[in-house]
Amino acid sequence: EAQVTQNPRYLITVTGKKLTVTCSQNMNHEYMSWYRQDPGLGLRQIYYSMNVEVTDKGDVPEGYKVSRKEKRNFPLILESPSPNQTSLYFCASSSWTGTETQYFGPGTRLLVL
Amino acid sequence: GENVEQHPSTLSVQEGDSAVIKCTYSDSASNYFPWYKQELGKRPQLIIDIRSNVGEKKDQRIAVTLNKTAKHFSLHITETQPEDSAVYFCAASSETGNQFYFGTGTSLTVIP
Repeated sequence: EAQVTQNPRYLITVTGKKLTVTCSQNMNHEYMSWYRQDPGLGLRQIYYSMNVEVTDKGDVPEGYKVSRKEKRNFPLILESPSPNQTSLYFCASSSWTGTETQYFGPGTRLLVL
Repeated sequence: GENVEQHPSTLSVQEGDSAVIKCTYSDSASNYFPWYKQELGKRPQLIIDIRSNVGEKKDQRIAVTLNKTAKHFSLHITETQPEDSAVYFCAASSETGNQFYFGTGTSLTVIP
């Protein structure tokens, strides 16, 4: 089954404790992206990747890192989480560019205390 | 960067009526405009999209129109059904098609 998976689905952590949210797709997609969703703000793009070792900033990259060492994986790293990073995070992928259909993962709900 | 505004934020319609959601964008170089539906507790799913070289696109009960001159695009849902109840997001891409800017969402309720 073609899918985008994220882990963990729920996470409670404390300020400053490094964490990684994993994203994996099995569709051989070139393009992957991370978004955060906050009430009243819609979705905002954090980072995107056009291919292995090619990443670039989205609209709200501060406080986040990403890597794309393999085509199928695109982890989101919060090196020193802060409460304002409490949010619902979605990973998405599409075949070539973002203008092909983007398939979203199930989301990761993060609470930073 | 791009700024996408979406209206209304909430919309209630009677089953069978039409619903229209409107979005405006600021960057004339934007060239791809998807619409997503997000049911409660679920992930966003693409329902229709339109590219800048097309003025209108239709898929059964759903249609999207684009006015490049005025920099606005709209989602039209006809013959609404209760299962259309969800939050709808519009988005606009950067010229390269890699960066995306979303509207703040419209919560649509279809009353049976």
